[in-house]
Amino acid sequence: DAGVTQSPTHLIKTRGQHVTLRCSPISGHKSVSWYQQVLGQGPQFIFQYYEKEERGRGNFPDRFSARQFPNYSSELNVNALLLGDSALYLCASSLTGQGAQGPQHFGDGTRLSIL
Amino acid sequence: AQRVTQPEKLLSVFKGAPVELKCNYSYSGSPELFWYVQYSRQRLQLLLRHISRESIKGFTADLNKGETSFHLKKPFAQEEDSAMYYCALSGHGGGADGLTFGKGTHLIIQP
Repeated sequence: DAGVTQSPTHLIKTRGQHVTLRCSPISGHKSVSWYQQVLGQGPQFIFQYYEKEERGRGNFPDRFSARQFPNYSSELNVNALLLGDSALYLCASSLTGQGAQGPQHFGDGTRLSIL
Repeated sequence: AQRVTQPEKLLSVFKGAPVELKCNYSYSGSPELFWYVQYSRQRLQLLLRHISRESIKGFTADLNKGETSFHLKKPFAQEEDSAMYYCALSGHGGGADGLTFGKGTHLIIQP
């Protein structure tokens, strides 16, 4: 099992640009969550998708959006990039059905740097 | 609002000594608590969850609802325990709030 895979591993963008980050969950996992981890902090929840529907959203501006595809992979989109968006973006998948959260399996993340 | 506090940014102990990583939470309900660990150059991975009440790699954690704590303990530290440890909380809103993480504690086990 390859685990959760994310692409790209590193990305450099300039202010005002947009970016798309991709995530493939563990085979059989139907839930994907996205987190932002700024240096020195713990991961901060952005979105959760389950069965292609948004199930949860953290305290992030509308510049952040995501979607989940029929194969359960997911994309995180960020528009009008700001310097403060520089962070490690983590994707996590879980088996979770309806109801409470379950253990999350994390990918290696995408390191986004904004110049 | 839910919150997780890990008061120690860095904890250094000698090999063989007991280890306790502190975690306090704030949540108006019955949360599910987790400890995640990140070893050097590896991805974040689940160490244990309170509902399992199990010991993983010699670590245990007991949920104390009265003190709203979920401290991670190990009686005898080993050098391979050196890592970044995150305490995390999940509410029971069907995933609507995601996992709330603390800022993490960097554990260093000295030989």
